[in-house]
Amino acid sequence: QSALTQPASVSGSPGQSITISCTGTSSDVGSYDLVSWYQQHPGKAPKLMIYEGSKRPSGVSNRFSGSKSGNTASLTISGLQAEDEADYYCSSYAGSSTFEVFGGGTKLTVL
Amino acid sequence: QLQLQESGPGLVKPSETLSLTCTVSGGSISSTDYYWVWIRQPPGKGLEWIGGIYYSGNTYYDPSLKSRVTISVDTSKNKFSLKLSSVTAADTAVYYCARRVRGAVPGWGQGTLVTVSS
Repeated sequence: QSALTQPASVSGSPGQSITISCTGTSSDVGSYDLVSWYQQHPGKAPKLMIYEGSKRPSGVSNRFSGSKSGNTASLTISGLQAEDEADYYCSSYAGSSTFEVFGGGTKLTVL
Repeated sequence: QLQLQESGPGLVKPSETLSLTCTVSGGSISSTDYYWVWIRQPPGKGLEWIGGIYYSGNTYYDPSLKSRVTISVDTSKNKFSLKLSSVTAADTAVYYCARRVRGAVPGWGQGTLVTVSS
């Protein structure tokens, strides 16, 4: 059982927007602005898409955005494209004892 | 451009110790900005933190694996290593080495599949 809760799957049509939620607790997501989001295509290593909750690394499309409200972080992908179809994972710093926790992952299907 | 490469046996027998090394190139493992981490992914499942190490040797381990994990660093060789003892089939996974900075992991190795089987 993962420490952070994500929906198992989401779907959308090309051009639409989707949002993936990542629910934690006051010990992780709610306490730190250190939520990251990763995209993983089959057979590939994960790729960092969002860090520190809402920042995009260089080279990541501005169609990807992150936000947080309370103990829940969210990843929004606008203008869905076929290549966005992948698994998405959230991660959060969880303090000096646990350190880091992942969500269980969300499979995004572009219809 | 910093690159990471995992190496080690792809097959380990149950109850034995899994040992992997990550070679860092294109940058110094002694950078004060990074933690060097291990993450794994069982086949068809999600990502799992194993733990990490700072160049000074400070380590952190996931509580669920802490009793079996040792992560070490060799700054002279720009490498860091993972040892996981008393492995079972549940430890079969793709193991990634990576660098972590302020809670994010921007750089990953390609991953190496380790199968635990007799």
